[in-house]
Amino acid sequence: QVQLLQWGAGLLKPSETLSLTCAVYGGSFSGHYWSWIRQPPGKGLEWIGQINHGGSTNYKPSLKSRVAISVDTSKNQFSLTLTSLTAADTAVYYCARIRDSYGFVDSWGQGTLVTVSS
Amino acid sequence: DIVMTQSPDSLAVSLGERATINCKSSHSVLNSTNNKSYLAWYQQKPGQPPKLLIYWASTRESGVPDRFSGSGSETDFTLTISSLQAEDVAVYYCQQYYSTPFTFGGGTKVEIK
Repeated sequence: QVQLLQWGAGLLKPSETLSLTCAVYGGSFSGHYWSWIRQPPGKGLEWIGQINHGGSTNYKPSLKSRVAISVDTSKNQFSLTLTSLTAADTAVYYCARIRDSYGFVDSWGQGTLVTVSS
Repeated sequence: DIVMTQSPDSLAVSLGERATINCKSSHSVLNSTNNKSYLAWYQQKPGQPPKLLIYWASTRESGVPDRFSGSGSETDFTLTISSLQAEDVAVYYCQQYYSTPFTFGGGTKVEIK
């Protein structure tokens, strides 16, 4: 049974950088893609991007200039960095496991509410 | 980007009755090579992350009750709850994984009438 445990700062100021990390326990790390998805309060889900164990990434084009997803296979962890934050980036951020490389999510982290406010 | 449009935004159904949620994609998500539609359905309850219900448009995830079923192909899809239970109150999302950026529908809130 895979478990995803995520952590990172929850309150940031405009123009600052968001950093979140997700640790994966159980299951295969190399056999899947790993993703970040966010959800503004009261709104729907937005895919941010994904990475595989080899470091190959895909990002949402509208965020690509500000986002980076990295992986540490020695620790079975992956991380999200989002720069130049604005209030529009306020959301619950989820880390997630993509089944194999298909694109649908079969396991989710607990979520981290990130609030961007001065 | 492929735009996913769900309808209705919300619906209220009596316990034991059928609930039907629709999802339409702006581009076909059918892969003609393997004849699979790259469409998933999730259930999200308040304060929780989403839960995978259906993938490949109609394959039920392990452990999901068989009252949940998915159908459709190419651009038009349906999630059906055959007999609504109290624990099914939630928001339901469809998602295409045919091409990046993967995109979600806006969600459908299901309540008890």
